[in-house]
Amino acid sequence: QSVLTQPPSASGTPGQRVTISCSGSNSNIGSNTVNWYQHLPGAAPKLLIYSSNQRPSGVPDRFSGSKSGTSASLAISGLQSEDGTDYYCAAWDDSLSGWVFGGGTKLTVL
Amino acid sequence: QVQLVESGGGVVQPGRSLRLSCAASGFTFTLYGMHWVRQAPGRGLEWVAFIRDDGTYEYYADSVEGRFTISRDNSENTLYLQMNSLTTEDTAVYYCAKDSCSGGSCSHEFWGQGTLVTVSS
Repeated sequence: QSVLTQPPSASGTPGQRVTISCSGSNSNIGSNTVNWYQHLPGAAPKLLIYSSNQRPSGVPDRFSGSKSGTSASLAISGLQSEDGTDYYCAAWDDSLSGWVFGGGTKLTVL
Repeated sequence: QVQLVESGGGVVQPGRSLRLSCAASGFTFTLYGMHWVRQAPGRGLEWVAFIRDDGTYEYYADSVEGRFTISRDNSENTLYLQMNSLTTEDTAVYYCAKDSCSGGSCSHEFWGQGTLVTVSS
């Protein structure tokens, strides 16, 4: 059981907008920023969003992040077939003195 | 460009030890903290450990505290993970990741390709 809760799956059609949620608590998301990672199986995970809503250079602006209270969301607009993979949220947890990840969401592009 | 290359994975019996390495290049290694993160088969990412840039401070996940030790050799640009008393629950792909902090917020900025550790009798 992961400390951060994500839906196990999400789906959308090409061109559509999809959102993936990440729910935590006061000790993690409620007190700290959230990062999002994209992970193609067998490859190195890639930082997609940091500080809840910032994109590293090279990440398309189709990807955006937001945070409110103890929850965060990743939005992907203009869905493309290559977006179909796994996504993880993460945050520092003050109570655990460590990083916590969500269980991951597998995005399917129909 | 940033490169992180893990090595040292393999098959090991329960109760035995293994040491992983992560060779870093393309950035000033001495200026950044480093992480180990793992992914067990069929499961999500799990943070394992962090070490500060100068090696003076370490954090561990409860699941590995007391059994794993993270360390670094800044003269060799290499990160290590010493894993003792291994159990089948430690079977996973282990990734090293470069830490990056901006405005008080940190992230796992770059990741290696990972090395597979299989604990089995």
